Amino acid sequence: AQSVTQLGSHVSVSEGALVLLRCNYSSSVPPYLFWYVQYPNQGLQLLLKYTSAATLVKGINGFEAEFKKSETSFHLTKPSAHMSDAAEYFCAVSVSQGFQKLVFGTGTRLLVSP
Amino acid sequence: EPEVTQTPSHQVTQMGQEVILRCVPISNHLYFYWYRQILGQKVEFLVSFYNNEISEKSEIFDDQFSVERPDGSNFTLKIRSTKLEDSAMYFCASSREGAYNEQFFGPGTRLTVL
Repeated sequence: AQSVTQLGSHVSVSEGALVLLRCNYSSSVPPYLFWYVQYPNQGLQLLLKYTSAATLVKGINGFEAEFKKSETSFHLTKPSAHMSDAAEYFCAVSVSQGFQKLVFGTGTRLLVSP
Repeated sequence: EPEVTQTPSHQVTQMGQEVILRCVPISNHLYFYWYRQILGQKVEFLVSFYNNEISEKSEIFDDQFSVERPDGSNFTLKIRSTKLEDSAMYFCASSREGAYNEQFFGPGTRLTVL
């Protein structure tokens, strides 16, 4: 069965600093990987997805993630944090391009200080 | 931009009562899902639905849960006899065919069981 592990339940950065949120996956077959963001009292919004086309994936709001098979990782980065990036970030995995459940990690809360 | 909508945004009920959570998926999507998120925990898959049938369900989705697509637009989750531990945020999601399992989430319904 597939799973994801997000290291760090909380990450704190200063505005303008690099954001790095870690995600490692486990899957017996090539995975599809996703990052979702959840702002307070809101639903889940897709940031970006990896579907095997390219290992470096660019998403919305300046975020990107790199798929590294050798490290089974899909870390999320952003060069310069904004206050508006403060939210909960979830990594998720699926093992089919079709119709299948997403398996989520436990989430990482990003705190951005002025 | 099309979006998934959910009603109500917050539902308070007494233990043992039946509740129905409603979702309107994106109109051209064919696959539908329910997830839940207990406060402070990760998002968990409940059930997936396609072609008027349940495709997959988790061990959480026991006999007290049911789903239905009563018409061409709504997708409902019914909990027959609510328990305290059913208190959670319930998310509906939908995806279209051939979209690498990119799921669009609604804003959620917060269910509080007293």
